[in-house]
Amino acid sequence: GENVEQHPSTLSVQEGDSAVIKCTYSDSASNYFPWYKQELGKRPQLIIDIRSNVGEKKDQRIAVTLNKTAKHFSLHITETQPEDSAVYFCAARPQGGSEKLVFGKGTKLTVNP
Amino acid sequence: SQTIHQWPATLVQPVGSPLSLECTVEGTSNPNLYWYRQAAGRGLQLLFYSVGIGQISSEVPQNLSASRPQDRQFILSSKKLLLSDSGFYLCAWRFRYEQYFGPGTRLTVT
Repeated sequence: GENVEQHPSTLSVQEGDSAVIKCTYSDSASNYFPWYKQELGKRPQLIIDIRSNVGEKKDQRIAVTLNKTAKHFSLHITETQPEDSAVYFCAARPQGGSEKLVFGKGTKLTVNP
Repeated sequence: SQTIHQWPATLVQPVGSPLSLECTVEGTSNPNLYWYRQAAGRGLQLLFYSVGIGQISSEVPQNLSASRPQDRQFILSSKKLLLSDSGFYLCAWRFRYEQYFGPGTRLTVT
């Protein structure tokens, strides 16, 4: 089955710097890759996603890139702010009618003022 | 618009007691529904999912069970709670490609 690896597990940056989180997946047939942000004590919130027919997607300060050949996708946050501090989860959905998302283990991002 | 509800928000239960957590979705029909558990500081563990009334798929063998008595209602149950059942229980629903989480129930087993 699908396996998603996420790195790094923790990331600390200075306010205004960029942050990059990477995920690799094992099933080449996976076709949907969302990213979630979870603030302390709250539910994970979908912040951006990408489908396998697209290489890059941007939404203001966040962007996701997908490399299907290498089977990895990345979250990029530019001009980081303290409110970006949270745990970020990547996920992949295998093709073939799978109803499940397979999640990475999460990255704790800390943005220092 | 679609809304997902969970209750209770917090729960403290003794070991060996029963459990019932409820999740309901508004504004959609025949959604895919999911139960996840998140231990403190850990990742998201899929417990059950359902693609329709009475259809339950179990991902992890344990002392929990799930039921879907109505189209937009998903229930997580246990007959006897264990200490290891403590965690943040999240219901989720799928809309097209996207999956959205409910507010969660924080369960502490003492």
